[in-house]
Amino acid sequence: AQRVTQPEKLLSVFKGAPVELKCNYSYSGSPELFWYVQYSRQRLQLLLRHISRESIKGFTADLNKGETSFHLKKPFAQEEDSAMYYCALTGSNYKLTFGKGTLLTVNP
Amino acid sequence: DAGITQSPRYKITETGRQVTLMCHQTWSHSYMFWYRQDLGHGLRLIYYSAAADITDKGEVPDGYVVSRSKTENFPLTLESATRSQTSVYFCASSEGLAGAGTGELFFGEGSRLTVL
Repeated sequence: AQRVTQPEKLLSVFKGAPVELKCNYSYSGSPELFWYVQYSRQRLQLLLRHISRESIKGFTADLNKGETSFHLKKPFAQEEDSAMYYCALTGSNYKLTFGKGTLLTVNP
Repeated sequence: DAGITQSPRYKITETGRQVTLMCHQTWSHSYMFWYRQDLGHGLRLIYYSAAADITDKGEVPDGYVVSRSKTENFPLTLESATRSQTSVYFCASSEGLAGAGTGELFFGEGSRLTVL
């Protein structure tokens, strides 16, 4: 079975501080990992996927197969980063499994 | 406008009633999904569809029925609503399944359902 764990329900940082949203997964094969974000009053949308190895809005995430993690990082948080973040995984069955989400608040 | 739309956005019903949530997409995406979002549970897949007339169960299908007679529509029906089905329901579509390189999910705005 595939599982995604986001250990922090809530995360609060100050503007300009580094932020790391943790994501650990359980999957026996080679997974594909994603981060989705839901800003206030907006739709859930894709932020980034590990196969793209891209940086979106200053966020990066590295897949660490040894630690089975896919943490989302940003060196300097902005107020507009405040949102709900979901880590998601898909495996050979191609179904996307989401974590429970982390609500990030960036304080001024 | 092109996109994915859900209706109704808000619905209050009573236990035992039938409720149908509508989902319509204009991209001709093959895959469509229904998720429910609950505090403490995140997003859980109810049903998904790979194409018209092809549907499959997700993680929490009990109490729900879906159909896909046309590519663009994917209604979700609660045949006899229960209080535990009070939730926010999200419809999503994609060109392909995640993992196939085209698996970005595009979500609707959500339908907030309250069952009294």
